[in-house]
Amino acid sequence: RKEVEQDPGPFNVPEGATVAFNCTYSNSASQSFFWYRQDCRKEPKLLMSVYSSGNEDGRFTAQLNRASQYISLLIRDSKLSDSATYLCVPRNDYKLSFGAGTTVTVRA
Amino acid sequence: GAGVSQSPRYKVAKRGQDVALRCDPISGHVSLFWYQQALGQGPEFLTYFQNEAQLDKSGLPSDRFFAERPEGSVSTLKIQRTQQEDSAVYLCASSFPEGNNPGGRQYFGPGTRLTVT
Repeated sequence: RKEVEQDPGPFNVPEGATVAFNCTYSNSASQSFFWYRQDCRKEPKLLMSVYSSGNEDGRFTAQLNRASQYISLLIRDSKLSDSATYLCVPRNDYKLSFGAGTTVTVRA
Repeated sequence: GAGVSQSPRYKVAKRGQDVALRCDPISGHVSLFWYQQALGQGPEFLTYFQNEAQLDKSGLPSDRFFAERPEGSVSTLKIQRTQQEDSAVYLCASSFPEGNNPGGRQYFGPGTRLTVT
């Protein structure tokens, strides 16, 4: 079983739509959680951290449920520029564990 | 300032050849990481350095893989006797410790795309 499981998608949504997806992780020792964004043939870039209380960063909302070991990301008012692969990343000490990613395509 | 740089950006090797991949971390970053990203997968941890010390090499897939960071700055990942299954993007990341986390926020380089034919 993989340490981080994500729905690979793709999620094809029109501009302005809301899209949400999630991941589950198996390592209960994970201390911190992140969403990274990776554009095609580019390196991963940190999108946002995820806190137990839930947090927003502009149009992006992340939630963490430690009891269920579940992390979610919601994108409101989707833009064409949001098209990317979103990687769910728990961290244990210095080690990041990446999911395989969820691909989102926003169409005009 | 400059980000993490990697070279070469693309490498084609014949099966059995040795390759060396270079990573230049962000200046002053203490921690350096190597990851391997196969097609359609997320990056997988290979190894971790703090300055020149290799503190974790648990992710290296075989003894054909070797990494070094002799002066605590530039790092080289070497793969001996390359095999087709080594074809992947090799990503380097660097960071500065944050609070009680030795890893800190990791900044990734553009990667080296290795193709073994």
